[in-house]
Amino acid sequence: GAVVSQHPSWVICKSGTSVKIECRSLDFQATTMFWYRQFPKQSLMLMATSNEGSKATYEQGVEKDKFLINHASLTLSTLTVTSAHPEDSSFYICSARDRASPYEQYFGPGTRLTVT
Amino acid sequence: GENVEQHPSTLSVQEGDSAVIKCTYSDSASNYFPWYKQELGKGPQLIIDIRSNVGEKKDQRIAVTLNKTAKHFSLHITETQPEDSAVYFCAASVWNKLVFGAGTILRVKS
Repeated sequence: GAVVSQHPSWVICKSGTSVKIECRSLDFQATTMFWYRQFPKQSLMLMATSNEGSKATYEQGVEKDKFLINHASLTLSTLTVTSAHPEDSSFYICSARDRASPYEQYFGPGTRLTVT
Repeated sequence: GENVEQHPSTLSVQEGDSAVIKCTYSDSASNYFPWYKQELGKGPQLIIDIRSNVGEKKDQRIAVTLNKTAKHFSLHITETQPEDSAVYFCAASVWNKLVFGAGTILRVKS
């Protein structure tokens, strides 16, 4: 149980284009999903928290107009990187919290974004 | 805000030996402390966790201890195996958000 999927697993896009990443909880309902960013050989940094049916809460320093987050259902959240630039290249990981458990976060496999 | 420090940054052990990774946190409001294992190119996998009302928890070869007074928590892996080689992250949860340590690269030599 507690499986989280992400799609795509990797994507290459040209500078100036937008990319959408999907995060799904496969076998549980997630009232809260989180988006993280991880640079090579570094730790995970929380970008934003999204609750189903409401606006995402962004961490300090994260541009909400650049990283659009939508949490349309209890099993799906999307992150759209708008007008991507090479410095946005990173490993993006989502996590989801089971509505039945207030503590555990289950992570997806991550999406490697490369902006050329 | 919360700050989590993790040591050591790298740890090499011989197969069969024990490995210990330590973390400290700053915010006394933190109440949940998970440990994650991350293999190259993959997302973090929850391996064990502990809540603030518990001092120790064990799951087969893995155990976690928590000292709330000192704001320390540690991961103990016994009888290490080559497949334990990975990056391990501790985290502390405050106000339902996870703050991660910098990570420990564990290498188990056979």
